[in-house]
Amino acid sequence: DVVMTQSPLSLPVTLGQPASISCRSSQSLVHSDGNTFLNWFQQRPGQPPRRLIYMVSKRDSGVPDRFSGSGSGTDFTLKISRVEAEDVGVYYCMQGAHWPTWTFGQGTKVEIK
Amino acid sequence: EVQLVESGGGLVQPGGSLRLSCVASGFIFSNFHMHWVRQAPGKGLEYVSAISPNGDDTVYANFVEGRFTISRDNSKNTMFLQMGSLRAEDMAVYYCVRHDAYGSYDYWGQGTLVTVSS
Repeated sequence: DVVMTQSPLSLPVTLGQPASISCRSSQSLVHSDGNTFLNWFQQRPGQPPRRLIYMVSKRDSGVPDRFSGSGSGTDFTLKISRVEAEDVGVYYCMQGAHWPTWTFGQGTKVEIK
Repeated sequence: EVQLVESGGGLVQPGGSLRLSCVASGFIFSNFHMHWVRQAPGKGLEYVSAISPNGDDTVYANFVEGRFTISRDNSKNTMFLQMGSLRAEDMAVYYCVRHDAYGSYDYWGQGTLVTVSS
């Protein structure tokens, strides 16, 4: 299986400051069709996960534009330009390139300092 | 509006069985692959199983080891996960998720909690 490694696993941030989460895969996430299937999910306390970003950098409808995704191949990043209180939660990257087993990163817990 | 509603979770003894259901609405259910993803208490997300739109193809995570069976009834917009030989490590919230065209999960249910304990 493809192993997804996130860092850091804990990220204390100051309100209004930027935050960045790294995700590395053990294999390239470029699919045979040429697309790169890397996703980011947010899970607020007590809630199911919610997708923020798909195909590396495409934001879901309703996701604030302070969230952005970037990267290629095996290295990817989720950035929050200015952290707000509602951004507290755990963030997961997930690869959807290698069927049939899609895999998640360990999760990064974002909290306010 | 897309909705996925899970049910069937509960307390079961080790070695016991449980059947989870997921009722879908707001989209053409028979057009989509569907998956189960689980989350143990305080832990991360873990893929469990997937089923093709017509139900002919199924896939399981290695840890399932023949203990679970995924199925669907497209006439009732419902997916199932029959779980047997349950272990303590199977205790988790089980989420029903929709697999979209972009190598991703675009919709998640609220989850149903499975507790395995004597």
